[in-house]
Amino acid sequence: AQSVTQLDSQVPVFEEAPVELRCNYSSSVSVYLFWYVQYPNQGLQLLLKYLSGSTLVKGINGFEAEFNKSQTSFHLRKPSVHISDTAEYFCAVILPRGAGSYQLTFGKGTKLSVIP
Amino acid sequence: DAGVTQSPTHLIKTRGQQVTLRCSPKSGHDTVSWYQQALGQGPQFIFQYYEEEERQRGNFPDRFSGHQFPNYSSELNVNALLLGDSALYLCASSSYRGMNTEAFFGQGTRLTVV
Repeated sequence: AQSVTQLDSQVPVFEEAPVELRCNYSSSVSVYLFWYVQYPNQGLQLLLKYLSGSTLVKGINGFEAEFNKSQTSFHLRKPSVHISDTAEYFCAVILPRGAGSYQLTFGKGTKLSVIP
Repeated sequence: DAGVTQSPTHLIKTRGQQVTLRCSPKSGHDTVSWYQQALGQGPQFIFQYYEEEERQRGNFPDRFSGHQFPNYSSELNVNALLLGDSALYLCASSSYRGMNTEAFFGQGTRLTVV
């Protein structure tokens, strides 16, 4: 079975500073990887995803993530954060067993707090 | 496009009661998955529906059941509610033909069991 570990439960960062949110996964087979963002009292919004190809993935709102197979990591980065980036971020994986097999396994989340 | 819509947004129930939550998928999507998000936790997969059948199920008891209608909308039913069922319930829709690689989530239903 696959699992996801988000190494930091809370990350405070000053506005306009860079940030990295860490995610490691465990799986015996290849996986698809995702980052979602959740603003207070809202559902989840997809930031970016890695299915195959280039290991550097660019997403919305200036975020990017790098897939590292040897380290089984998929860390999320942004070079300069804004107050509006304050939210909870979830890393997730699915096993690409084929169409219809869509079961996201999420990490516990990282709360990003941007300090003015 | 209204995206994924869930109803109601908030709900308060008493222990032992039954509850039904509803979800309408994004236009063009045919697969609906349900997740439970307890406070301070990541979402946990409950089950997935496609072609009106339950295709996959997570580690949830039989008190949790669902249904998908011909228009792809879905219901989540929980019987004999426990205090521990208090959570945000999220519905996600995706496309079976698209390999379900992009899920769109609704805003969730906040269930409080007292």
